[in-house]
Amino acid sequence: NAGVTQTPKFRVLKTGQSMTLLCAQDMNHEYMYWYRQDPGMGLRLIHYSVGEGTTAKGEVPDGYNVSRLKKQNFLLGLESAAPSQTSVYFCASSPMRPVSLQPQHFGDGTRLSIL
Amino acid sequence: ILNVEQSPQSLHVQEGDSTNFTCSFPSSNFYALHWYRWETAKSPEALFVMTLNGDEKKKGRISATLNTKEGYSYLYIKGSQPEDSATYLCASGGSNYKLTFGKGTLLTVNP
Repeated sequence: NAGVTQTPKFRVLKTGQSMTLLCAQDMNHEYMYWYRQDPGMGLRLIHYSVGEGTTAKGEVPDGYNVSRLKKQNFLLGLESAAPSQTSVYFCASSPMRPVSLQPQHFGDGTRLSIL
Repeated sequence: ILNVEQSPQSLHVQEGDSTNFTCSFPSSNFYALHWYRWETAKSPEALFVMTLNGDEKKKGRISATLNTKEGYSYLYIKGSQPEDSATYLCASGGSNYKLTFGKGTLLTVNP
């Protein structure tokens, strides 16, 4: 029972490099989310998706792009990485019912360092 | 209250102590309040989702209450054990698709 799987788990990038973080869920959930977690800041929403082919901006979207071409996958892209994007990134998903009534299921996180 | 706020920020207790902490949230446009348990190096796991004023939920030694009119929720742990050590997150959901998370309360239970 995989749940929400994030790849990679760790990555070190140089400033200006690009990369894509992959989130995959096998629970047939409609809603998917990308958060970043920084010391003293809690979880902040970057982008989210309410269904295949749809995405929307969260609280801190600048410097990131996302795509949801398949229902089970939600990709987070950094086009030109900056040191300020050093963080731990979490993906989450929830079912179709009003999202507030359903707990979110989280992946194990991706630790990203930008040098 | 504009944001979701949790207090205290951190807490140290001895094994066997009972403890509680607070989550404050905007009472307007309230839809649901979530509690998550987040162990170090793991992902957050849902404890409770609460929606009704006066709601009380329980899972083993952990329970939570909800006051939507004044905008707060309490999480209680009875007879704390070292394995209860974790960060406890609360999150408030409005009528949209998003949750707003607090910064968490870090609980350390000393043997």
